[in-house]
Amino acid sequence: AQSVTQLDSHVSVSEGTPVLLRCNYSSSYSPSLFWYVQHPNKGLQLLLKYTSAATLVKGINGFEAEFKKSETSFHLTKPSAHMSDAAEYFCVVNLDRGSTLGRLYFGRGTQLTVWP
Amino acid sequence: KAGVTQTPRYLIKTRGQQVTLSCSPISGHRSVSWYQQTPGQGLQFLFEYFSETQRNKGNFPGRFSGRQFSNSRSEMNVSTLELGDSALYLCASSLRSGGASGEQFFGPGTRLTVL
Repeated sequence: AQSVTQLDSHVSVSEGTPVLLRCNYSSSYSPSLFWYVQHPNKGLQLLLKYTSAATLVKGINGFEAEFKKSETSFHLTKPSAHMSDAAEYFCVVNLDRGSTLGRLYFGRGTQLTVWP
Repeated sequence: KAGVTQTPRYLIKTRGQQVTLSCSPISGHRSVSWYQQTPGQGLQFLFEYFSETQRNKGNFPGRFSGRQFSNSRSEMNVSTLELGDSALYLCASSLRSGGASGEQFFGPGTRLTVL
């Protein structure tokens, strides 16, 4: 069963325009949710995380995401794209929250292209 | 603090061989997880070690194994390599088992190519 679905495999935006990367999850309770970014030939970097505190989560580099339980969504947004934002973004869920396990389930990724 | 380091960064092997990859977690982190990243399957969880014990295992065949040492460094081994094992293998460390907050810090990965 798919635990996390990223709705777009590719997103292209112009520099200075808003970014929206969509993510839906499937879980019977509120899991821990994350967005990671992967630049070419680099490891994954945590952008932000949701762990049941505020539903609007602010991350690094101007990114933020809103947890919407009713829609089982955790979309990533940024008001103004920068060329350096071009990378692959992964929506990630930890369904084992509350236990001693820690498997992260990754979405298939969204490749963000930023045009000058 | 130094980040997660993985060695080697690149490996080329032939079918049937075995390979060992190494991961050194961030100082003080006791949990190490391994992931396989391929274009076809995306990122998949392999296993997690905490205090030298395997705590969790993904859905991979027994050819994939790992271990963790007392200094938290971890190795993963793949025996009888197949072409489909070509992938980027990522290691991640966290403070606690599974990182109850879920936050894991990733290394740059080892790119394994099987010919």
